[in-house]
Amino acid sequence: DTEVTQTPKHLVMGMTNKKSLKCEQHMGHRAMYWYKQKAKKPPELMFVYSYEKLSINESVPSRFSPECPNSSLLNLHLHALQPEDSALYLCASSQGRGSTDTQYFGPGTRLTVL
Amino acid sequence: DAKTTQPPSMDCAEGRAANLPCNHSTISGNEYVYWYRQIHSQGPQYIIHGLKNNETNEMASLIITEDRKSSTLILPHATLRDTAVYYCIVRVATTGGFKTIFGAGTRLFVKA
Repeated sequence: DTEVTQTPKHLVMGMTNKKSLKCEQHMGHRAMYWYKQKAKKPPELMFVYSYEKLSINESVPSRFSPECPNSSLLNLHLHALQPEDSALYLCASSQGRGSTDTQYFGPGTRLTVL
Repeated sequence: DAKTTQPPSMDCAEGRAANLPCNHSTISGNEYVYWYRQIHSQGPQYIIHGLKNNETNEMASLIITEDRKSSTLILPHATLRDTAVYYCIVRVATTGGFKTIFGAGTRLFVKA
């Protein structure tokens, strides 16, 4: 099973709301990732968690706050977002083995900020 | 910055082989080449990866040149469902670990 699940599929929020995106995998992977993808652009890396510790933060604004409660779950907490933050947010996981490390992606959450 | 360059789009007739090129001239000795594809508004799907030998699986073949500066993904019998954006990726080593940096990708149109 190479499934990564993400909830919700769609989310509409106002600029003053607080919401969370959730990602789950049961493949025993020890690395998890958040990506942001704008329309007709490639995915951009936001955060990497390795063994439940934040290992890479690509200078993402603090209104995005990741959390990795355990090795199977990854959350992205959203607060005071801007309309330009509207995008497809993708979660991925991998074994965490370094240079040869296949990532498996979830279907994404389509976020609209009004 | 992405370490790969790909043509922005390609066409292929259904049933024919689709050959998607990728240049990665700055690749380092221990960096693998990965291919993913993304069908409209879905998450990227892993296809294949390799270091220096040619690789084949049930989805595709990967041909890597001897100097490792370029590679070609081959879909042997393209179908309409293979229409997607194909990303060639080299995972980059950083102080925090390995990063997957997507390039612009090739939009493949398979036509009946």
